[in-house]
Amino acid sequence: DTGVSQNPRHKITKRGQNVTFRCDPISEHNRLYWYRQTLGQGPEFLTYFQNEAQLEKSRLLSDRFSAERPKGSFSTLEIQRTEQGDSAMYLCASSPGSGDYNEQFFGPGTRLTVL
Amino acid sequence: GENVEQHPSTLSVQEGDSAVIKCTYSDSASNYFPWYKQELGKRPQLIIDIRSNVGEKKDQRIAVTLNKTAKHFSLHITETQPEDSAVYFCAASPSGGSYIPTFGRGTSLIVHP
Repeated sequence: DTGVSQNPRHKITKRGQNVTFRCDPISEHNRLYWYRQTLGQGPEFLTYFQNEAQLEKSRLLSDRFSAERPKGSFSTLEIQRTEQGDSAMYLCASSPGSGDYNEQFFGPGTRLTVL
Repeated sequence: GENVEQHPSTLSVQEGDSAVIKCTYSDSASNYFPWYKQELGKRPQLIIDIRSNVGEKKDQRIAVTLNKTAKHFSLHITETQPEDSAVYFCAASPSGGSYIPTFGRGTSLIVHP
């Protein structure tokens, strides 16, 4: 499968624990995005990388959230001191980064449940 | 920032009927408008997109129209089939910068056999 992959697919954790998710984009895609999706909503932007540089973060992203893309390939999203309100589907998407338009390809998501 | 409104939130049709989903956007800088289909428990998948330099685009049973003056765009599905049942999301994205799309809240399409 040459599409975007995410691991784990499901994560159940207790409130206050830290969790880390991984996203592997399509090879050679230099743009990478993280989104959060809750039931009945569209994906909400969290953060964006161009290669290894984190260029933009949403105001939704509290200081408990951190993301990295150390070598410009895979990315990780860490949530510290999880809260029940963090329960959601976390989606990653990548795009080629060329041209004037931004066709994004999504991964299958990581579903987080905070008990 | 951009604001995308999507209607209806739920759409129920009989197999073979047409379905239309409408979106409006607020930022005139948006110039790329993708539509995604998300089946239950699966990833959003791009089904069609339209760029601001065209008014209509068609791909088999799916078409999208764009009215830049009115800032609205629509998805049209003809001859619906049960496998078209899913949640559909529209999005509006600017050209340049981070190209970050703003998504609508989604339309749950149910096609009854």
